[in-house]
Amino acid sequence: QKEVEQDPGPLSVPEGAIVSLNCTYSNSAFQYFMWYRQYSRKGPELLMYTYSSGNKEDGRFTAQVDKSSKYISLFIRDSQPSDSATYLCAMSARGGSNYKLTFGKGTLLTVNP
Amino acid sequence: DAGVIQSPRHEVTEMGQEVTLRCKPISGHNSLFWYRQTMMRGLELLIYFNNNVPIDDSGMPEDRFSAKMPNASFSTLKIQPSEPRDSAVYFCASSLVEDQPQHFGDGTRLSIL
Repeated sequence: QKEVEQDPGPLSVPEGAIVSLNCTYSNSAFQYFMWYRQYSRKGPELLMYTYSSGNKEDGRFTAQVDKSSKYISLFIRDSQPSDSATYLCAMSARGGSNYKLTFGKGTLLTVNP
Repeated sequence: DAGVIQSPRHEVTEMGQEVTLRCKPISGHNSLFWYRQTMMRGLELLIYFNNNVPIDDSGMPEDRFSAKMPNASFSTLKIQPSEPRDSAVYFCASSLVEDQPQHFGDGTRLSIL
């Protein structure tokens, strides 16, 4: 089993839709959870950064972490064509190797005008 | 603020040639990371520097790969000799300290013919 699983998509939605992106993981030591957005031919850009379980909201974006289920989600409200990108989840453990990010392979999202 | 700067953006070279990728981290960031991204394997950490010192090089695939950080504002990743299977996008990232969010450059797209 891979440490982090992410559905690669592609996911295509109409403008204004609510988008749900998800990752599951197997390592119970993961404590830090991130979502990155990557536009074509660009580097990953940090969107959300959360520690442990719970929700975090930033504008149209909400990140959820359910450690009991080993499941994290990113919700995008009122999606826009400019949200079209690949979304990568990433996570790391607390302690000596907390710099070591394990990434999902990314979900390709297209928002159609 | 200037982000992480990588050069060159694209590199095409023949098998057996030496390749040098360059990175300038965000000023004031003490941690620097080199990643490789492929369709098959996603984003993988190659090497991590803290305060210019290599801490974890367990992701460096072979002895053909080497990395240096001669000062806080410059790092190189070298491949010698290069092989077609080295073709990938190579990213540099930096963070304030090792357990803080990592910020990525726009990568070097490397093609070995």
